[in-house]
Amino acid sequence: QVQLQESGPGLVKPSETLSLTCSVSGGSIRSYYWSWIRQPPGRGLEWIAYIHYTGSTNYNPSLKSRVTISVDTSKTQFSLKLNSVTSADTAVYYCAAFNWKPGGFDPWGQGTLVTVSS
Amino acid sequence: EIVMTQSPATLSVSPGERATLSCRASQSVTSNLAWYQQKPGQAPRLLIYGASTRATGIPARFSGSGSGTEFTLTISSLQSEDFAVYYCQQYNNWPLTFGGGTKVEIK
Repeated sequence: QVQLQESGPGLVKPSETLSLTCSVSGGSIRSYYWSWIRQPPGRGLEWIAYIHYTGSTNYNPSLKSRVTISVDTSKTQFSLKLNSVTSADTAVYYCAAFNWKPGGFDPWGQGTLVTVSS
Repeated sequence: EIVMTQSPATLSVSPGERATLSCRASQSVTSNLAWYQQKPGQAPRLLIYGASTRATGIPARFSGSGSGTEFTLTISSLQSEDFAVYYCQQYNNWPLTFGGGTKVEIK
């Protein structure tokens, strides 16, 4: 079955760019819409963006101006870049697989905490 | 953006009792509604999709119902491992949005 694993720096300075990668194993990168979701400490979930292996993307309007999502099918990875970060971007970042049918995000990576601080 | 509102914020239930969680959408999401369970320090786990279909491996004590704007997740007899936070999520419209969560705690 598909397994996801996030990787990237756990600490980013304010105004810099947060960069994360999600490695996909156990399944085809062509099978899902690959998403990033975040969760600030003690708070709820916010969908950030998705990308399909074809390159089709969709972004949350609240973050669209600062976010880039990309996919590397040869490496079975997809990535997130969030620029001009502030402390409000401190969160656990999850990668997850989304499909319209059957519906929902499944599976999820374990999540990685990114702290924005100088 | 569709706003998902969950109630109550916290539900205190004794083991073996029934728990009923509500989720309301600010506009119709038809049946494009999922429920997730999240335990401390873990990623969310998909429980229900299509408003009422259990995901693979989810026990039958979890059931979902509703369509349009009103949805319910019912846990028929709470087990110790069910105490967690539950989120609903709509996938009918962009952006995809989650409710604020309901924490089910031991009474």
